[in-house]
Amino acid sequence: QQQVKQSPQSLIVQKGGISIINCAYENTAFDYFPWYQQFPGKGPALLIAIRPDVSEKKEGRFTISFNKSAKQFSLHIMDSQPGDSATYFCAAGGNAGNMLTFGGGTRLMVKP
Amino acid sequence: GAVVSQHPSWVICKSGTSVKIECRSLDFQATTMFWYRQFPKQSLMLMATSNEGSKATYEQGVEKDKFLINHASLTLSTLTVTSAHPEDSSFYICSALGTSGASGTQYFGPGTRLLVL
Repeated sequence: QQQVKQSPQSLIVQKGGISIINCAYENTAFDYFPWYQQFPGKGPALLIAIRPDVSEKKEGRFTISFNKSAKQFSLHIMDSQPGDSATYFCAAGGNAGNMLTFGGGTRLMVKP
Repeated sequence: GAVVSQHPSWVICKSGTSVKIECRSLDFQATTMFWYRQFPKQSLMLMATSNEGSKATYEQGVEKDKFLINHASLTLSTLTVTSAHPEDSSFYICSALGTSGASGTQYFGPGTRLLVL
């Protein structure tokens, strides 16, 4: 019930391409879905987040698409750049205690 | 805004010693902080939830007597790894809960890498 499944585990994209990372959850009590970006040796940094009252949220090159009925959400990185190479984690929260359940992570490499 | 710091960023210690890691919210007050550990190429594993002025809530399988958490003020939580052993070597990350409603945003610190020899 608490799992968040993330795919793919790794992703290689050419510079300028679109990176797409998908997540699926089971617990319908979740009502907050953030994406975090983590560089090696650093803590995760909040990238973008969405709540179930909207189906899409865009901030610059980053877009979250949310499908409530399918219990899935995805991150799209447009015009991917080598500087976007990092590990991306989706998460889901909203149950008691404001805890987040993290996906397994996706290691993105953007080739120049 | 919403900056969280951790100290130290790196620590190497001998087996059997104790290590204290500090987590501070620099520009906001955080009644709730979280402690995670992360092994190489793995996701974040929640260890415990730290609430200001009360005892921490530990996740299943986390030894509360080994990982002591103190949240004595609205801007500081500490994690003490007692009698550290090599298997405790990991990347420890804290987060502080922003005050943005029931499902608040967690802001993460930069992490502390612990190496136990």
